[in-house]
Amino acid sequence: KAGVTQTPRYLIKTRGQQVTLSCSPISGHRSVSWYQQTPGQGLQFLFEYFSETQRNKGNFPGRFSGRQFSNSRSEMNVSTLELGDSALYLCASSLATSGGLDTQYFGPGTRLTVL
Amino acid sequence: ILNVEQSPQSLHVQEGDSTNFTCSFPSSNFYALHWYRWETAKSPEALFVMTLNGDEKKKGRISATLNTKEGYSYLYIKGSQPEDSATYLCASANRNQGGKLIFGQGTELSVKP
Repeated sequence: KAGVTQTPRYLIKTRGQQVTLSCSPISGHRSVSWYQQTPGQGLQFLFEYFSETQRNKGNFPGRFSGRQFSNSRSEMNVSTLELGDSALYLCASSLATSGGLDTQYFGPGTRLTVL
Repeated sequence: ILNVEQSPQSLHVQEGDSTNFTCSFPSSNFYALHWYRWETAKSPEALFVMTLNGDEKKKGRISATLNTKEGYSYLYIKGSQPEDSATYLCASANRNQGGKLIFGQGTELSVKP
Protein backbone atom coordinates (compact mmCIF):
# COMPACT_ATOMS: atom_id res chain seq x y z
CA LYS A 1 0.00 0.00 0.00
CA ALA A 2 1.38 3.39 -0.92
CA GLY A 3 2.04 5.74 1.98
CA VAL A 4 0.90 9.31 2.48
CA THR A 5 2.30 11.60 -0.19
CA GLN A 6 2.71 15.35 -0.09
CA THR A 7 3.51 17.77 -2.86
CA PRO A 8 5.54 19.78 -3.32
CA ARG A 9 8.32 18.72 -0.97
CA TYR A 10 10.00 22.12 -0.95
CA LEU A 11 8.64 25.56 -1.65
CA ILE A 12 10.06 29.06 -1.53
CA LYS A 13 7.68 32.00 -1.50
CA THR A 14 7.86 35.69 -0.67
CA ARG A 15 5.84 37.60 1.90
CA GLY A 16 2.33 38.43 0.80
CA GLN A 17 2.04 35.53 -1.63
CA GLN A 18 -0.25 32.58 -1.14
CA VAL A 19 0.55 28.89 -1.28
CA THR A 20 -1.34 25.62 -1.73
CA LEU A 21 -0.02 22.32 -0.39
CA SER A 22 -1.41 18.94 -1.36
CA CYS A 23 -1.76 15.68 0.56
CA SER A 24 -2.83 12.29 -0.77
CA PRO A 25 -3.78 9.90 2.04
CA ILE A 26 -3.32 6.16 2.20
CA SER A 27 -6.00 4.42 0.15
CA GLY A 28 -9.08 3.82 2.29
CA HIS A 29 -8.20 6.48 4.86
CA ARG A 30 -10.95 9.03 5.30
CA SER A 31 -9.41 11.50 7.72
CA VAL A 32 -6.61 13.92 6.92
CA SER A 33 -5.00 16.14 9.54
CA TRP A 34 -2.51 18.94 8.99
CA TYR A 35 0.28 20.01 11.34
CA GLN A 36 2.85 22.79 11.36
CA GLN A 37 6.29 22.14 12.78
CA THR A 38 8.62 25.01 13.63
CA PRO A 39 11.84 24.85 15.66
CA GLY A 40 11.04 24.82 19.36
CA GLN A 41 7.29 24.57 18.82
CA GLY A 42 6.77 20.92 18.10
CA LEU A 43 3.87 19.76 15.95
CA GLN A 44 1.00 22.23 16.07
CA PHE A 45 -2.42 20.98 14.97
CA LEU A 46 -3.91 23.02 12.13
CA PHE A 47 -7.10 21.17 11.19
CA GLU A 48 -8.65 17.80 10.45
CA TYR A 49 -10.88 16.91 7.54
CA PHE A 50 -13.22 13.95 7.41
CA SER A 51 -15.65 13.19 4.59
CA GLU A 52 -14.96 16.58 2.97
CA THR A 53 -15.85 18.45 6.17
CA GLN A 54 -13.58 20.21 8.62
CA ARG A 55 -14.06 18.28 11.84
CA ASN A 56 -11.51 20.02 14.06
CA LYS A 57 -9.54 23.22 13.97
CA GLY A 58 -6.46 24.41 15.81
CA ASN A 59 -5.56 27.93 16.93
CA PHE A 60 -4.34 29.39 13.68
CA PRO A 61 -5.45 32.59 11.93
CA GLY A 62 -7.99 32.51 9.12
CA ARG A 63 -5.17 32.82 6.58
CA PHE A 64 -4.79 29.08 7.00
CA SER A 65 -7.52 27.10 5.32
CA GLY A 66 -8.02 23.70 3.83
CA ARG A 67 -10.38 21.42 2.04
CA GLN A 68 -10.88 17.77 1.30
CA PHE A 69 -12.09 16.23 -1.91
CA SER A 70 -14.37 13.25 -2.43
CA ASN A 71 -11.36 10.96 -2.94
CA SER A 72 -10.05 12.08 0.49
CA ARG A 73 -7.18 14.05 -0.99
CA SER A 74 -6.69 17.29 0.89
CA GLU A 75 -5.21 20.68 0.18
CA MET A 76 -4.07 23.34 2.58
CA ASN A 77 -3.88 27.00 1.60
CA VAL A 78 -2.03 29.83 3.30
CA SER A 79 -2.80 33.33 2.07
CA THR A 80 -0.81 36.53 2.62
CA LEU A 81 2.30 34.66 3.71
CA GLU A 82 4.34 35.97 6.62
CA LEU A 83 7.94 35.20 7.53
CA GLY A 84 6.69 33.23 10.54
CA ASP A 85 4.86 30.80 8.26
CA SER A 86 8.19 29.25 7.33
CA ALA A 87 7.88 25.72 8.63
CA LEU A 88 7.54 22.05 7.83
CA TYR A 89 3.92 21.21 7.08
CA LEU A 90 2.96 17.61 7.71
CA CYS A 91 -0.22 15.86 6.84
CA ALA A 92 -1.38 12.62 8.38
CA SER A 93 -4.13 10.25 7.38
CA SER A 94 -6.12 7.72 9.36
CA LEU A 95 -8.99 5.30 8.93
CA ALA A 96 -11.15 7.52 11.16
CA THR A 97 -13.06 4.58 12.64
CA SER A 98 -12.50 5.46 16.28
CA GLY A 99 -11.54 9.11 16.64
CA GLY A 100 -8.56 9.70 18.85
CA LEU A 101 -7.71 6.00 18.93
CA ASP A 102 -6.80 5.93 15.26
CA THR A 103 -3.13 5.70 14.41
CA GLN A 104 -2.14 8.58 12.17
CA TYR A 105 0.22 7.92 9.28
CA PHE A 106 2.37 10.86 8.33
CA GLY A 107 3.61 12.05 4.99
CA PRO A 108 7.15 13.33 4.37
CA GLY A 109 6.11 16.96 4.74
CA THR A 110 6.40 20.13 2.68
CA ARG A 111 9.18 22.50 3.70
CA LEU A 112 7.93 26.06 3.14
CA THR A 113 10.36 28.96 3.24
CA VAL A 114 8.98 32.49 3.18
CA LEU A 115 11.45 35.21 2.19
CA ILE B 1 -1.55 20.52 33.15
CA LEU B 2 -3.10 22.32 30.19
CA ASN B 3 -0.69 21.25 27.49
CA VAL B 4 1.23 18.13 26.60
CA GLU B 5 4.73 18.39 28.02
CA GLN B 6 7.71 16.12 27.52
CA SER B 7 10.94 15.82 29.45
CA PRO B 8 13.80 15.88 29.05
CA GLN B 9 14.05 17.98 25.90
CA SER B 10 17.14 16.05 24.80
CA LEU B 11 19.14 13.09 25.99
CA HIS B 12 22.57 11.79 25.06
CA VAL B 13 23.37 8.21 26.07
CA GLN B 14 25.93 5.54 25.28
CA GLU B 15 25.09 2.40 23.36
CA GLY B 16 23.75 -0.19 25.78
CA ASP B 17 22.33 2.33 28.27
CA SER B 18 18.69 2.08 29.19
CA THR B 19 16.72 5.31 29.22
CA ASN B 20 13.27 6.70 29.82
CA PHE B 21 11.28 9.83 28.97
CA THR B 22 8.19 11.39 30.46
CA CYS B 23 5.04 12.73 28.83
CA SER B 24 2.55 14.76 30.90
CA PHE B 25 -0.93 15.45 29.53
CA PRO B 26 -4.27 16.86 30.71
CA SER B 27 -6.15 14.06 32.49
CA SER B 28 -9.63 15.59 32.08
CA ASN B 29 -11.56 14.28 29.06
CA PHE B 30 -8.65 11.98 28.28
CA TYR B 31 -9.24 9.51 25.47
CA ALA B 32 -5.92 8.21 24.18
CA LEU B 33 -2.18 8.75 24.36
CA HIS B 34 0.01 8.20 21.31
CA TRP B 35 3.77 7.74 21.06
CA TYR B 36 5.61 8.39 17.80
CA ARG B 37 9.24 8.08 16.77
CA TRP B 38 10.59 10.64 14.31
CA GLU B 39 13.92 9.90 12.71
CA THR B 40 15.81 12.59 10.83
CA ALA B 41 14.72 12.91 7.18
CA LYS B 42 11.83 10.51 7.71
CA SER B 43 8.16 10.80 8.68
CA PRO B 44 6.92 10.32 12.25
CA GLU B 45 6.16 6.65 12.82
CA ALA B 46 3.59 5.36 15.31
CA LEU B 47 4.87 3.31 18.25
CA PHE B 48 1.90 2.91 20.58
CA VAL B 49 -1.67 4.00 21.20
CA MET B 50 -2.70 3.67 24.83
CA THR B 51 -6.06 4.22 26.45
CA LEU B 52 -6.48 2.46 29.78
CA ASN B 53 -5.05 3.47 33.14
CA GLY B 54 -2.21 1.09 33.93
CA ASP B 55 -1.84 0.14 30.28
CA GLU B 56 1.58 -1.17 29.33
CA LYS B 57 2.71 -1.68 25.73
CA LYS B 58 5.89 -3.24 24.40
CA LYS B 59 7.58 -3.32 21.00
CA GLY B 60 10.98 -4.99 21.02
CA ARG B 61 13.22 -3.04 23.40
CA ILE B 62 10.75 -0.17 23.70
CA SER B 63 7.91 -0.14 26.21
CA ALA B 64 5.48 2.44 27.56
CA THR B 65 3.22 2.81 30.57
CA LEU B 66 0.19 5.00 31.13
CA ASN B 67 -1.33 6.68 34.19
CA THR B 68 -4.52 8.46 33.16
CA LYS B 69 -5.47 9.56 36.68
CA GLU B 70 -2.37 11.66 37.17
CA GLY B 71 -1.83 12.38 33.49
CA TYR B 72 1.55 10.92 32.61
CA SER B 73 3.16 8.27 30.46
CA TYR B 74 6.68 6.88 30.47
CA LEU B 75 8.56 5.54 27.46
CA TYR B 76 11.43 3.15 28.19
CA ILE B 77 14.19 2.00 25.88
CA LYS B 78 16.22 -0.94 27.11
CA GLY B 79 19.81 -1.30 25.88
CA SER B 80 19.77 1.73 23.55
CA GLN B 81 21.27 1.27 20.10
CA PRO B 82 22.48 3.97 17.67
CA GLU B 83 19.45 3.25 15.46
CA ASP B 84 17.23 4.35 18.34
CA SER B 85 18.47 7.92 17.82
CA ALA B 86 15.37 9.94 16.98
CA THR B 87 12.89 12.40 18.43
CA TYR B 88 10.18 10.71 20.46
CA LEU B 89 6.84 12.46 20.45
CA CYS B 90 3.79 11.88 22.57
CA ALA B 91 0.33 13.19 21.73
CA SER B 92 -2.96 13.17 23.59
CA ALA B 93 -6.46 12.87 22.23
CA ASN B 94 -9.54 14.08 24.09
CA ARG B 95 -13.06 12.75 23.92
CA ASN B 96 -15.39 14.18 21.30
CA GLN B 97 -12.58 15.78 19.33
CA GLY B 98 -12.33 13.25 16.53
CA GLY B 99 -8.79 12.69 15.37
CA LYS B 100 -7.30 15.85 16.85
CA LEU B 101 -3.95 15.10 18.49
CA ILE B 102 -2.10 17.54 20.72
CA PHE B 103 1.62 16.88 20.56
CA GLY B 104 4.37 17.56 23.06
CA GLN B 105 7.60 19.13 21.88
CA GLY B 106 9.40 15.81 21.86
CA THR B 107 12.47 14.29 23.45
CA GLU B 108 15.50 14.13 21.17
CA LEU B 109 17.52 10.99 21.85
CA SER B 110 21.09 10.57 20.65
CA VAL B 111 22.78 7.20 21.19
CA LYS B 112 26.55 7.14 20.74
CA PRO B 113 28.25 3.90 19.69
